[in-house]
Amino acid sequence: DGGITQSPKYLFRKEGQNVTLSCEQNLNHDAMYWYRQDPGQGLRLIYYSQIVNDFQKGDIAEGYSVSREKKESFPLTVTSAQKNPTAFYLCASSIPSPGSTFFGQGTRLTVV
Amino acid sequence: DAKTTQPNSMESNEEEPVHLPCNHSTISGTDYIHWYRQLPSQGPEYVIHGLTSNVNNRMASLAIAEDRKSSTLILHRATLRDAAVYYCILIPPGTYKYIFGTGTRLKVLA
Repeated sequence: DGGITQSPKYLFRKEGQNVTLSCEQNLNHDAMYWYRQDPGQGLRLIYYSQIVNDFQKGDIAEGYSVSREKKESFPLTVTSAQKNPTAFYLCASSIPSPGSTFFGQGTRLTVV
Repeated sequence: DAKTTQPNSMESNEEEPVHLPCNHSTISGTDYIHWYRQLPSQGPEYVIHGLTSNVNNRMASLAIAEDRKSSTLILHRATLRDAAVYYCILIPPGTYKYIFGTGTRLKVLA
């Protein structure tokens, strides 16, 4: 089945630790994205990548880092510099508009 | 980036049609109008998109105003499984950057 796989679904970390969220797609899409969603809120763009070895900051990139070494993979690292890391994180991929965007099922990160 | 305005929430009775409005008065001539929906604790899923003409697919219909400053997503017969947050988004052609607002939370009453 083609799609986007995020793992794990739930993740718990202690404050001050870096944590990496996985995102893999087998849709052969060039573009990949990371969004953050807080309870009752819309999606906010963290980083996006249009092509391998290139990525751009979104609206809330501070405290996060990404890499895009392979077309299929776009991992997100939540660093200790992120002040409020507890959130629902969504990975997505797409072809250029007007094509649709496909989302993973999300990773719920809780930092205690 | 062009903005969209949607009501925060709407209610509908099961098996009745639902019309979800979206205002986008600053839309440019080449922006596509996309709709996505997000079920609880899941990632958003694509619903429909259009440019100028009305569009239909198996999930919904999209009615676009003649001046393109507004659009309406139409669910022909709402079911309990349609309860979700619906997002209206404007996408310039060839762009990769999608900007999601807070959407409309649809509640379907049995």
